[in-house]
Amino acid sequence: GDSVTQMEGPVTLSEEAFLTINCTYTATGYPSLFWYVQYPGEGLQLLLKATKADDKGSNKGFEATYRKETTSFHLEKGSVQVSDSAVYFCALSGRNSGGSNYKLTFGKGTLLTVNP
Amino acid sequence: NAGVTQTPKFRILKIGQSMTLQCTQDMNHNYMYWYRQDPGMGLKLIYYSVGAGITDKGEVPNGYNVSRSTTEDFPLRLELAAPSQTSVYFCASSYLGQGEETQYFGPGTRLLVL
Repeated sequence: GDSVTQMEGPVTLSEEAFLTINCTYTATGYPSLFWYVQYPGEGLQLLLKATKADDKGSNKGFEATYRKETTSFHLEKGSVQVSDSAVYFCALSGRNSGGSNYKLTFGKGTLLTVNP
Repeated sequence: NAGVTQTPKFRILKIGQSMTLQCTQDMNHNYMYWYRQDPGMGLKLIYYSVGAGITDKGEVPNGYNVSRSTTEDFPLRLELAAPSQTSVYFCASSYLGQGEETQYFGPGTRLLVL
């Protein structure tokens, strides 16, 4: 079945450091890929997404590129801020030739702490 | 436009008690979902609904029930609470049409079963 493996945390960085959180997936069909962010005490919010190979999702300075050849969707940001401290989840929504598969499969989450 | 709302925010139950977690969305989404989030384990799908009157099991449905009588509401019922159901519960909704798959989440309900 579908699965998502993401980098184990926690990750601790200083402000303005470069961030990478690795995410790889296994899926049948043609999945869409997502990064969700969960701030302390809140629900998940969509951060960015990509729906086909070589698409780049971007938002708030974060980027991730859908790499079908390596089945990866790594999250990057050039300069993190204290306000980026949160848990980040990689997820996929598997699709087949018949259309969308509505079920999201999540990774376990990566806790990011950014220190001033 | 409130999005997805959930009540209560926090609840303590005794073993064997029952309760209903409420979820409402005002985005006219056709799909709705219930997840549970356990520490270090990501989110697991409990139940989902593709429209009013239609529900189906997810990965971890045992001990839970759902109903969907309207487009807006998707309550989750725990009949006999057990300590294993201590978790944070998230409701989500999405509109499936023309390939749109983004799910929108509520703020969560933290449940403690003692």
